[in-house]
Amino acid sequence: KQEVTQIPAALSVPEGENLVLNCSFTDSAIYNLQWFRQDPGKGLTSLLLIQSSQREQTSGRLNASLDKSSGRSTLYIAASQPGDSATYLCAVRGRNTGNQFYFGTGTSLTVIP
Amino acid sequence: EAQVTQNPRYLITVTGKKLTVTCSQNMNHEYMSWYRQDPGLGLRQIYYSMNVEATDKGDVPEGYKVSRKEKRNFPLILESPSPNQTSLYFCASSLFMSGTDTQYFGPGTRLTVL
Repeated sequence: KQEVTQIPAALSVPEGENLVLNCSFTDSAIYNLQWFRQDPGKGLTSLLLIQSSQREQTSGRLNASLDKSSGRSTLYIAASQPGDSATYLCAVRGRNTGNQFYFGTGTSLTVIP
Repeated sequence: EAQVTQNPRYLITVTGKKLTVTCSQNMNHEYMSWYRQDPGLGLRQIYYSMNVEATDKGDVPEGYKVSRKEKRNFPLILESPSPNQTSLYFCASSLFMSGTDTQYFGPGTRLTVL
């Protein structure tokens, strides 16, 4: 079974700082990895999806990288803003787990004005 | 507007009273799924469906049923709810084919079983 871990569980940074969120997974045989954002009381919004053949994806101030061999992904947020405050989750779809998705427990980010 | 809708958004019920949470998507997605989210445990997959009349268990299927009679709808049924099913539930859908797995989530249903 795939295990997905996100560290740290919570992070607080001043506005304008660049930051990195981490996601690790135990089985490197994956189809893809996806990063989501969840605002309090809301559903999940997809931020970036990286296919297993890709090393990174970028969208605006966000950059996600994938290192399958080490079972790691990072989400880099440049020039953080208070509006970035949310919980960030990663999810993987594994080749050995059929059509199931496995989520980490998330990193709660607070950007202080 | 492309979206996944869930109803109801909030539900308080009592142990043993059957309930259904509806989920509908308007994007013609093949793949649909139900998750529950609990503090400290994250999102866990309950059931998923690859297409009409094709459903499979996720990691936590006990106490739940699903059906997929139409492509757009994927209801979650709790035949005899218990307090340990108190949770935040999400429905999601994706195209799935060719590895296009971007999942779109509904707004969530907060269920309390007394």
